[in-house]
Amino acid sequence: GENVEQHPSTLSVQEGDSAVIKCTYSDSASNYFPWYKQELGKRPQLIIDIRSNVGEKKDQRIAVTLNKTAKHFSLHITETQPEDSAVYFCAASSERRALTFGSGTRLQVQP
Amino acid sequence: GAGVSQTPSNKVTEKGKYVELRCDPISGHTALYWYRQSLGQGPEFLIYFQGTGAADDSGLPNDRFFAVRPEGSVSTLKIQRTERGDSAVYLCASRRSPGHNEQFFGPGTRLTVL
Repeated sequence: GENVEQHPSTLSVQEGDSAVIKCTYSDSASNYFPWYKQELGKRPQLIIDIRSNVGEKKDQRIAVTLNKTAKHFSLHITETQPEDSAVYFCAASSERRALTFGSGTRLQVQP
Repeated sequence: GAGVSQTPSNKVTEKGKYVELRCDPISGHTALYWYRQSLGQGPEFLIYFQGTGAADDSGLPNDRFFAVRPEGSVSTLKIQRTERGDSAVYLCASRRSPGHNEQFFGPGTRLTVL
């Protein structure tokens, strides 16, 4: 089955700096890669996703890049704000399959 | 419209008891997933329904866990003879149809087995 590894496990940045979180996956059949943000005690919320036919996708301050050959994908947050502080999860799946999640990155944005 | 809802939000039970957790997906969503999230970890897949049938139950840890979705909408996750290790947040997610990827998560049920 699929295995997703995520790092770093914790990340502290100053407000306004950029944050980068990286994930690798093992199953070459995976073709869908979402990123979820989860605040304490809340449900995971999708913030951006990418399919394997696309190398990069951007939505305002958030971008995701995918290297299908190397089987890794990354989340980039620019101009970080205190409200970006949360746990971020990457995930991977193939068509109609369940998501396999990474272990999460706790992002702390210092004002 | 309304999102995915789950009841109860919290459930405390004693070791050995039986529990049922309910998920109401977004109306019209044909796919439904159950995940389990332990403290400090990512959600782990349990079971996936497409319509009324379980398309993939490979994530269920053992035969104490069972789930149903009799009418293709509401789903119930059933845990028999609960153990302390079953304590976790149980998350439900729904997806519109096979042609759509995004899964929408419910708020979860926090299960505590004493």
